[in-house]
Amino acid sequence: KQEVTQIPAALSVPEGENLVLNCSFTDSAIYNLQWFRQDPGKGLTSLLLIQSSQREQTSGRLNASLDKSSGRSTLYIAASQPGDSATYLCAVSTGGFKTIFGAGTRLFVKA
Amino acid sequence: NAGVTQTPKFRVLKTGQSMTLLCAQDMNHEYMYWYRQDPGMGLRLIHYSVGEGTTAKGEVPDGYNVSRLKKQNFLLGLESAAPSQTSVYFCASSYPGHRMTFGPGTRLTVT
Repeated sequence: KQEVTQIPAALSVPEGENLVLNCSFTDSAIYNLQWFRQDPGKGLTSLLLIQSSQREQTSGRLNASLDKSSGRSTLYIAASQPGDSATYLCAVSTGGFKTIFGAGTRLFVKA
Repeated sequence: NAGVTQTPKFRVLKTGQSMTLLCAQDMNHEYMYWYRQDPGMGLRLIHYSVGEGTTAKGEVPDGYNVSRLKKQNFLLGLESAAPSQTSVYFCASSYPGHRMTFGPGTRLTVT
């Protein structure tokens, strides 16, 4: 059974710091991996999607990497800003509809 | 382009009452999903649909029914609400293998 774990559960950093959020999954037979952002009381916003054949994706200050063989993905946020404060969720798709979510990392960026 | 919309945003039910949550998307997505999000449990798939007229059970389907009579709409029904169904419900849609788009959520309390 696929399980997705995110560490740490919460993170507090000063503004301007570069940071890395971690995601691990137990079964390497994945279709793709997505990183989402969720603001309090809101829905999820997809940030990046990495297909199983890809190693990384970039969008602005965000870079996500994927290492299927080790069952790991990282989300790198450069030059963090207070507006980056949110919960970041990792989700692994094992094909079509079946997407398993991690519990998320709550990020707080201090001004 | 409204994306994914959900109705209602908030609802309070008494045990045993019934209700229907409506999800609508205007992106012509084939796949639609209903998730619930609970503290400490993350996001769990209730039901999903891979096309108009089709539905299937997810991880936690008991106590819920769904229908997808039109491609753009996905309805989630609670026939006899229980306190254990107090949660935040999210609808999402996607093309197969592509990014998921989430709605803003419905916060349901069952007393």
